[in-house]
Amino acid sequence: DIQMTQSPSSLSASVGDRVTITCRASQGIRNDLVWYQQKPGKAPKRLIYAASSLQSGVPSRFSGSGSGTEFTLTISSLQPEDFATYYCLQHNSYPRTFGQGTKLETK
Amino acid sequence: EVQLVESGGGLVQPGGSLRLSCAASGFTFSNHWMSWVRQAPGKGLEWVANIKEDGSVKYYVDSVKGRFTISRDNAMNSVYLQVNSLRAEDTAVYYCARNGGQIDYWGQGTLVTVSS
Repeated sequence: DIQMTQSPSSLSASVGDRVTITCRASQGIRNDLVWYQQKPGKAPKRLIYAASSLQSGVPSRFSGSGSGTEFTLTISSLQPEDFATYYCLQHNSYPRTFGQGTKLETK
Repeated sequence: EVQLVESGGGLVQPGGSLRLSCAASGFTFSNHWMSWVRQAPGKGLEWVANIKEDGSVKYYVDSVKGRFTISRDNAMNSVYLQVNSLRAEDTAVYYCARNGGQIDYWGQGTLVTVSS
């Protein structure tokens, strides 16, 4: 199984901050990676697919990069609505595996 | 508008069974793989299973193999998850989701609680 190691597990930041979350795959997954945002009590929402493609309707302050084993999600200027938990998902092989999540909290 | 609506969750005793359903609308259901993903209370997301457009191919996470069965009815625009031999660790919100890899849309989930 491919292990997805997401870091940090939690992050305190302020509105306007630039934030970066990392996912590392235990083996190469090309660009078969998706990023999701989840708010409490809600279903996840796709932000980025194919590692760096922005989902339609998602603000351009979100961006993704990486290929192979290391991937990043960057929020260029945090907005109040961005405080949530973020997950990566690899879909290169079975079983599909998620990172353990990064909880983004207000400082 | 893509909509996925799950149903069938509830409280069940260890060893019991449930059939989870997901009704899809707003897209051509038969053109998409479908997935189930679960989330235990306060925990992260865990992929459970997916099924090919025509139902001919299915994949499962090891922890549910032999106990859970994914199926679909393209005429009814629905996907199902039969969950048998339930354990306490299966307690979770079960989400139906579109696509087998690049999951894009999710339902709101149905809660399965396994407890005596």
